Amino acid sequence: GIQVEQSPPDLILQEGANSTLRCNFSDSVNNLQWFHQNPWGQLINLFYIPSGTKQNGRLSATTVATERYSLLYISSSQTTDSGVYFCAVPTQGGSEKLVFGKGTKLTVNP
Amino acid sequence: DTAVSQTPKYLVTQMGNDKSIKCEQNLGHDTMYWYKQDSKKFLKIMFSYNNKELIINETVPNRFSPKSPDKAHLNLHINSLELGDSAVYFCASSAYTGPSTQYFGPGTRLTVL
Repeated sequence: GIQVEQSPPDLILQEGANSTLRCNFSDSVNNLQWFHQNPWGQLINLFYIPSGTKQNGRLSATTVATERYSLLYISSSQTTDSGVYFCAVPTQGGSEKLVFGKGTKLTVNP
Repeated sequence: DTAVSQTPKYLVTQMGNDKSIKCEQNLGHDTMYWYKQDSKKFLKIMFSYNNKELIINETVPNRFSPKSPDKAHLNLHINSLELGDSAVYFCASSAYTGPSTQYFGPGTRLTVL
């Protein structure tokens, strides 16, 4: 099945810093989603981004489907950005069955 | 206006008991899911329903039985609970089956003693 690798596994930042999280996947996909799990456990969908670039406030994401990776950019980080960031891709084709990476744990210190 | 809701939020029970977790979505979505998140935060899909019909059934013990009375509800019943069932269970929904954004509920933390 498709493999999803996220890096780095852990990231510690000072408030105000920028960061880039990476998601590599082993097969072509037509569906990639980024999620944020906050320290209280809630999973929030950040982006549905099978290709191209999207921006939402201080967050943006870019997926280069031909090279099988996606990047999540966080600018001017805030303590509320802390949590675990997951990317997820379908197991095959247009499947709704998502495979999740192991996540990047982000800690933003004041 | 909670989009995807689950009850209960916490569930503590003894081994061997039977328990249920309820999920409701008010987004008008056709597809609903159950995921399990283990102690290492790994998320894995368990089941998916489209308009009350089962479409994904992962390798899950048959002690786990999902039920969808209508397309807005997907409940999870677990028989004969085991220690290894302790996890956080998430319900999710998407507009349709296929590549579409999935929205997650708040999760139910199940602890089996």
